[in-house]
Amino acid sequence: SSELTQDPAVSVALGQTVRITCQGDRLRHYYANWYQQKPTQAPILVIYAKNNRPSGIPDRFSGSSSGSTASLTITGAQAEDEADYYCQSRDSTGNDVVFGGGTRLTVL
Amino acid sequence: DVLLEQSGAEMKKPGESLKISCMGSGYDFTDHWIAWVRQMPGKGLEYLGIVYPGDSDTKYSPSFQGQFTLSADKSISTAYLQWSVLKASDTAIYYCARRAYFNDNLGIEYYYDYWGQGTPVTVSS
Repeated sequence: SSELTQDPAVSVALGQTVRITCQGDRLRHYYANWYQQKPTQAPILVIYAKNNRPSGIPDRFSGSSSGSTASLTITGAQAEDEADYYCQSRDSTGNDVVFGGGTRLTVL
Repeated sequence: DVLLEQSGAEMKKPGESLKISCMGSGYDFTDHWIAWVRQMPGKGLEYLGIVYPGDSDTKYSPSFQGQFTLSADKSISTAYLQWSVLKASDTAIYYCARRAYFNDNLGIEYYYDYWGQGTPVTVSS
């Protein structure tokens, strides 16, 4: 089992706001990064170091963190946001990389 | 533009060997570590390890230590993942990804900013 826990599936109505969460004790000490993966495609980075967006990522994507929970928020979800989302941080040793189990986002 | 180009799909039999590649372009290949990530059919992302093309230094995830070998050839901007004895359980898509870092007053954090397109590997008798 992953040291980072995500809900397996979340749904949101088109144009509404959705929060995808990632829980893990290491998140008290390290930032979370977030990746989006659409079917048959490679992952792409959408948020790094808690709340930084790479160039080209729409500003409807934002990140936050509180205690042992990191969140990815999509404000005004679009149909093209339907994908799997993975959080990533460090493991309990702080030296290795760990991914959450992923959350499948459905836009209704 | 930064690009990581991976080698094509492979179909192998159990017990065979395999080496897949990841060629970087659009940046100095020796400036960034290259990570490898596995995605088994219908499953999530798993971190395998990382290689530094500058001197071929490697760090393996303890969960996968000994199961494969990472290497790099900086002269051709290419990183490799190789198996000497494949198993059916190695069937997966393998991604390479470039490691970047973010530095603030809390320290350095690493993230993976560019990914290859993935190499599907099928191991079946």
